[in-house]
Amino acid sequence: AQSVTQLDSQVPVFEEAPVELRCNYSSSVSVYLFWYVQYPNQGLQLLLKYLSGSTLVESINGFEAEFNKSQTSFHLRKPSVHISDTAEYFCAVSDLNQGGKLIFGQGTELSVKP
Amino acid sequence: KAGVTQTPRYLIKTRGQQVTLSCSPISGHRSVSWYQQTPGQGLQFLFEYFSETQRNKGNFPGRFSGRQFSNSRSEMNVSTLELGDSALYLCASSLDGRGVLSYTFGSGTRLTVV
Repeated sequence: AQSVTQLDSQVPVFEEAPVELRCNYSSSVSVYLFWYVQYPNQGLQLLLKYLSGSTLVESINGFEAEFNKSQTSFHLRKPSVHISDTAEYFCAVSDLNQGGKLIFGQGTELSVKP
Repeated sequence: KAGVTQTPRYLIKTRGQQVTLSCSPISGHRSVSWYQQTPGQGLQFLFEYFSETQRNKGNFPGRFSGRQFSNSRSEMNVSTLELGDSALYLCASSLDGRGVLSYTFGSGTRLTVV
């Protein structure tokens, strides 16, 4: 069965510093990959997704993620974070062989300090 | 355009009772999926409905059930509540049968079982 591992449960970082949130998934023939963000007392918001094509995907607010099939990774990066990026981030995978559902990682709490 | 609406936002129930949660998808969306979020288990898939039919079900006991109405609104029911059912229950809607590729999540219903 498909699984997702987020390697860091908490990532503290100073404002304007770069950040990388790491995500690995178990191998599968074909997967779709997602990053979601959750702010306190809210639902999940889609940040970006990889379906096919270019291995580098970008979001409108400066985040990017690179699909690496050989390393089964989908790490999320931002070159300069803001206080407002403080939130929990979830990596997720959809293995269409297991039906239309998302398998989530345990989440990474990003804390941006001034 | 209204988003995904989940009601109620907060709920407190006593162990042994039953509870019904409601999810109204974005207008025109036909697919609704439910997820449970707890600190210990993270985000776990409950079920997916499309055009009033359950298409996929997660590994939850039979106490957890759901349905979808002709207007695409969905309800989930948990009977004989246990303390471990305390969680944030999230629903996600999507336009068509390729649910996971275009989820929009609601803000969730926070259920506390005492």
